[in-house]
Amino acid sequence: GAGVSQSPRYKVAKRGQDVALRCDPISGHVSLFWYQQALGQGPEFLTYFQNEAQLDKSGLPSDRFFAERPEGSVSTLKIQRTQQEDSAVYLCASRGPGANVLTFGAGSRLTVL
Amino acid sequence: AQSVTQPDIHITVSEGASLELRCNYSYGATPYLFWYVQSPGQGLQLLLKYFSGDTLVQGIKGFEAEFKRSQSSFNLRKPSVHWSDAAEYFCAVVLMEYGNKLVFGAGTILRVKS
Repeated sequence: GAGVSQSPRYKVAKRGQDVALRCDPISGHVSLFWYQQALGQGPEFLTYFQNEAQLDKSGLPSDRFFAERPEGSVSTLKIQRTQQEDSAVYLCASRGPGANVLTFGAGSRLTVL
Repeated sequence: AQSVTQPDIHITVSEGASLELRCNYSYGATPYLFWYVQSPGQGLQLLLKYFSGDTLVQGIKGFEAEFKRSQSSFNLRKPSVHWSDAAEYFCAVVLMEYGNKLVFGAGTILRVKS
């Protein structure tokens, strides 16, 4: 597609629920990144894929967070047993081969009640 | 620890006035440097970037930034601010030895008064 597409744009979950956030990167972009942006803060790195391989997951805050990209295109970020501190905007970005610039999606705003 | 610092949380300028947003980084090597802008409810839009070469780079919307190696700074400037520039601005760096991750500063919120 023309840009990075994320869904849902808004998600409200009760504490303890599982959520899944989807990212559809720009066609042909091999690198995909997930970031978490808490209110009033800059985005924080969560994880990075090169095609289907998850090369870096050092930013995932706990084992409740899981990301996958099974066919090297669409990615899903899953959060199990959501907690209030998981409330944030989750940003996805992609990057083409040999490029150094990330293109970001509009984000998925998660609110955990 | 390696970091990106934006010392100003909020800045207010009058429409038509000049603007400078500060950014400092604490890495040994020269990273790739970026400025992004985020309007409410929007994703991050790239304003400009510096990889190498001319240390004064031009971006979109009339913005420019200057890389100063001696000061480890990459300040963003605009000679005349428009009301539509009100947004949050993020400085970011990439270091290849850190897995190509983009590391962001905490952001500066720009308010424009008429």
